[in-house]
Amino acid sequence: GQQVMQIPQYQHVQEGEDFTTYCNSSTTLSNIQWYKQRPGGHPVFLIQLVKSGEVKKQKRLTFQFGEAKKNSSLHITATQTTDVGTYFCAGPGSGAGSYQLTFGKGTKLSVIP
Amino acid sequence: DAGVIQSPRHEVTEMGQEVTLRCKPISGHNSLFWYRQTMMRGLELLIYFNNNVPIDDSGMPEDRFSAKMPNASFSTLKIQPSEPRDSAVYFCASSSLGGGYTFGSGTRLTVV
Repeated sequence: GQQVMQIPQYQHVQEGEDFTTYCNSSTTLSNIQWYKQRPGGHPVFLIQLVKSGEVKKQKRLTFQFGEAKKNSSLHITATQTTDVGTYFCAGPGSGAGSYQLTFGKGTKLSVIP
Repeated sequence: DAGVIQSPRHEVTEMGQEVTLRCKPISGHNSLFWYRQTMMRGLELLIYFNNNVPIDDSGMPEDRFSAKMPNASFSTLKIQPSEPRDSAVYFCASSSLGGGYTFGSGTRLTVV
């Protein structure tokens, strides 16, 4: 079945440093979604990327979808303590399973003030 | 909209007991998903409903797990009998036409 791999598993950064997490799929994706889960919370939808090579920005967050639509990245510029949490990428299945998402294991971000 | 509502927030039960988790999706969302989250296995899809019909239950661990969606505004996930290895956070999520998921706050289940 489809697999979505994320690296790194953990990242500790000093406040103000940049952060990047990478996502790779074993299959070509129709789209990719990113979620953030704060400690003790639930995953919250951040964004969906659909087009090959697409780049989207949300304030200090930059999301990219690879040209082959098999990989994606999330980059945070100048991290803040409010960025703490686990970031997940997720890709849909195909056919009848196209609405169900397979989540990566996530990258847990710690920000040292 | 109040978002996806799950109950209870926490459940502690003894091994062998029946556990029922409840979910109210966002009105108008036609897809509902039950996920289980553990440190070891991450977020695992258990079952997916579309327009109240179970589409894929291949993630349900075994016959002890069952899920129903009797109408568009309510779903249950039942574990009978429960075992310690079922301890996890169970999330319900809903979405519309392949869009982003809205997750509930989850039920933290502890089976002792």
